[in-house]
Amino acid sequence: GIQVEQSPPDLILQEGANSTLRCNFSDSVNNLQWFHQNPWGQLINLFYIPSGTKQNGRLSATTVATERYSLLYISSSQTTDSGVYFCAGLQGGSEKLVFGKGTKLTVNP
Amino acid sequence: DAMVIQNPRYQVTQFGKPVTLSCSQTLNHNVMYWYQQKSSQAPKLLFHYYDKDFNNEADTPDNFQSRRPNTSFCFLDIRSPGLGDAAMYLCATSLILGMDQYFGPGTRLLVL
Repeated sequence: GIQVEQSPPDLILQEGANSTLRCNFSDSVNNLQWFHQNPWGQLINLFYIPSGTKQNGRLSATTVATERYSLLYISSSQTTDSGVYFCAGLQGGSEKLVFGKGTKLTVNP
Repeated sequence: DAMVIQNPRYQVTQFGKPVTLSCSQTLNHNVMYWYQQKSSQAPKLLFHYYDKDFNNEADTPDNFQSRRPNTSFCFLDIRSPGLGDAAMYLCATSLILGMDQYFGPGTRLLVL
């Protein structure tokens, strides 16, 4: 099955800073999602982005499927952005969403 | 608002005492999933239902069972919880296989 690697594993920012989170996958994927897990444990669906670029407010994501990576951009970070960011991919022919180990983001006031 | 609902949010059970976690959805999605997430780890898929078709992951212990009585509801039964089963249990849905998944708030299970 596919392997999903995320970097960096931990990131500490001051409020207002920008950041880029990266997700590499070992094989082509048909479905690439980014999630934010808040401190209460809920996984919030950020982007469904098999390819291309999408933007939602201060967040945007880009997936380059041919090069097997995806990036999540967070601009003007806020303390409420803290939590763990997961990317997950679905390999062709499989129903199983494979998660990376996550990036733990801490935004300090 | 359409959503995925899990009850209870916190569940305490005793070692070996059967426990049932529930999930309901108002999205009218065909697929429902159960994940287990232990501390500082990524979610791990236990099984999923596509309509009434049940699909078990090969490494899911027999101690874990699931029921889907109708489109809206899905249950996770742990027949004899062990201390190692303490975790967050997440329910998710998708319209069809391969589409984006939407997660509920999770049930945190504590085994004493």
